[in-house]
Parts: sequence; structure tokens; C-alpha cells
Amino acid sequence: KQEVTQIPAALSVPEGENLVLNCSFTDSAIYNLQWFRQDPGKGLTSLLLIQSSQREQTSGRLNASLDKSSGRSTLYIAASQPGDSATYLCAVVGDGGATNKLIFGTGTLLAVQP
Amino acid sequence: GAVVSQHPSRVICKSGTSVKIECRSLDFQATTMFWYRQFPKQSLMLMATSNEGSKATYEQGVEKDKFLINHASLTLSTLTVTSAHPEDSSFYICSARDVGGWSYNEQFFGPGTRLTVL
Repeated sequence: KQEVTQIPAALSVPEGENLVLNCSFTDSAIYNLQWFRQDPGKGLTSLLLIQSSQREQTSGRLNASLDKSSGRSTLYIAASQPGDSATYLCAVVGDGGATNKLIFGTGTLLAVQP
Repeated sequence: GAVVSQHPSRVICKSGTSVKIECRSLDFQATTMFWYRQFPKQSLMLMATSNEGSKATYEQGVEKDKFLINHASLTLSTLTVTSAHPEDSSFYICSARDVGGWSYNEQFFGPGTRLTVL
């Protein structure tokens, strides 16, 4: 059974700092991995999607990497801003993509202090 | 593009009543939609996969007679919580898979529905 874990559970940094969020999964046979952002009481915003054949994806100040063999992904946020404060979730799709079911991690609550 | 809406955003009901939540893909067609449940400070748990024109597939432990799912068109799926009880109070979120866009297999999420059962 696939399990997805995120470390740390919570993180507080001063504005402008670069930071890394970690995601690990127990079954390396994933189809893709997706990073999301969730603001309090809101739905999810998709940030980056990495296909299993890819090593990284970039969007603006965000860079996500994927190492399937070790079951790890990282989300790098450059020059953090208070507006980046949110819960960040990673999720993987297994089953060769047949079901497209997302298995979510436990999330990292990020607070960027002005 | 790739916008998913949910209605209502918030609902409060009495115990024993049924509540219907709608999930719509606004600018794309979604043959598959997913329904999730999220308890406070916890991650999302998949409840069921909604397939257009066929029966939903429920995850283990989810009562299909309590959580009725109907996916009548390529842009609309509904979740009905029947005979709701306080323990059904939660944040319900849907997602839709955009099979026609450039971001194949990417899921886009609705804003969620906060259900409170008194």
C-alpha cells in the first residue's frame, strides 16, 4: 500500500529565505507526482506535476524534483514571500495511471514571516 | 482554464436530512471526477471515483448507500450525503481530470464544500 509522508509537518521562515519541502513515498512505481497548495478553508491549487519519466519541473520561484528510485520529491521555493504561507501537499498517482487515484501526503504547513 | 467549481461552498443542516453537493468542470470535459473528504488539520482522503455514464467506484470503508454519486454529464458530478449525521461534518472537495488538455492526467480541484451537521 502506497504511503506518502511529508517532512517537516510545519515550517516557519523569515521572508526572503529559500526553503525546501520534502515528500517521500513507499512504492516507487508511481505514474506521476503532483504538488499542491491549500489555503485555510479552501480547495487545492495545483503547483507542479512531474511525470514519472521526468526529473524536475519549474514554475516561477518553484522547482520540484523527483527521484523515483529513492521514493523522494522536493519542492524548492526561492525567495519566499508572506503570500507563500499555506499548506503544501504532495500526491502521487500509482497503478500505472489506470485509476489516476491521488494518494496524498500529510502536508507541510508553511508560514513566511514578514 | 481548467476551473472546477463546487456548490454550495458551505452548508449547515439538521441531522437526518440529505445534502447534495455539485462539482462542475467549467471549461473542460471530465470523464472522471473524484470526491475527497478532509478532516481538520488532516490530509485528503479519496472517497470515490465518479465516472461519467457509469457507477462510481468507492474506496474501502466508504458507504456507497450513504454517499450517493451521480456523474450525469461530462461537466457535472454530484455527491449526496444521505441522512446526514454530525460525524459526516467535514470538508468535501472534488477534482476533475482534464483528459483533453495539454496537462494530461493532471487533476484540478474545486474550492471545497464545508458541511456542518447539527
